[in-house]
Amino acid sequence: QQQVKQSPQSLIVQKGGIPIINCAYENTAFDYFPWYQQFPGKGPALLIAIRPDVSEKKEGRFTISFNKSAKQFSLHIMDSQPGDSATYFCAASITSNQFYFGTGTSLTVIP
Amino acid sequence: DAGITQSPRHKVTETGTPVTLRCHQTENHRYMYWYRQDPGHGLRLIHYSYGVKDTDKGEVSDGYSVSRSKTEDFLLTLESATSSQTSVYFCAISPGQGKYGYTFGSGTRLTVV
Repeated sequence: QQQVKQSPQSLIVQKGGIPIINCAYENTAFDYFPWYQQFPGKGPALLIAIRPDVSEKKEGRFTISFNKSAKQFSLHIMDSQPGDSATYFCAASITSNQFYFGTGTSLTVIP
Repeated sequence: DAGITQSPRHKVTETGTPVTLRCHQTENHRYMYWYRQDPGHGLRLIHYSYGVKDTDKGEVSDGYSVSRSKTEDFLLTLESATSSQTSVYFCAISPGQGKYGYTFGSGTRLTVV
């Protein structure tokens, strides 16, 4: 059973576009929601994270939007660049020391 | 990745043989994890450790065992490798519980033939 459902599986945008990746969860006990970025041949790297007491968090060109009532959160990449081409994973955790990851979104930004 | 090293980076092994993957950290973090990454499944937790000789199972622990005899080393053993264990294995470290992000290693690509 997938604890965190991620969509779409793949995404292609033009340079400068705003790709949006969505995640949904059921467990209302989750209280930490990170996003990871993974380049080929590398391990995932923490990109940005949010806690459910805020509805939005921005770090540079990356923004997380969080909708607690809908149990959904999303990643927006502003002014996307070819260097943003990577696989993105959402995740969720409670203070039980286990993260649950989405299945990943492969993003391609076309120059 | 700085502070965390996985070895080997690639391995091909035969069905039925034992295999051990190593994760070494220089960050003195308390928590260490083993994940496997498979297409369509994302990252799934195999085992984790919350201190020397303190380990627990994750969601896909069958067929795997772990050991942590020193803070810096966390070993993952496939007791008798099967083709279903062909995967990319990632080690991760964390200074604390739950609300801290992980630092991942670069992964070990294991092929069981």
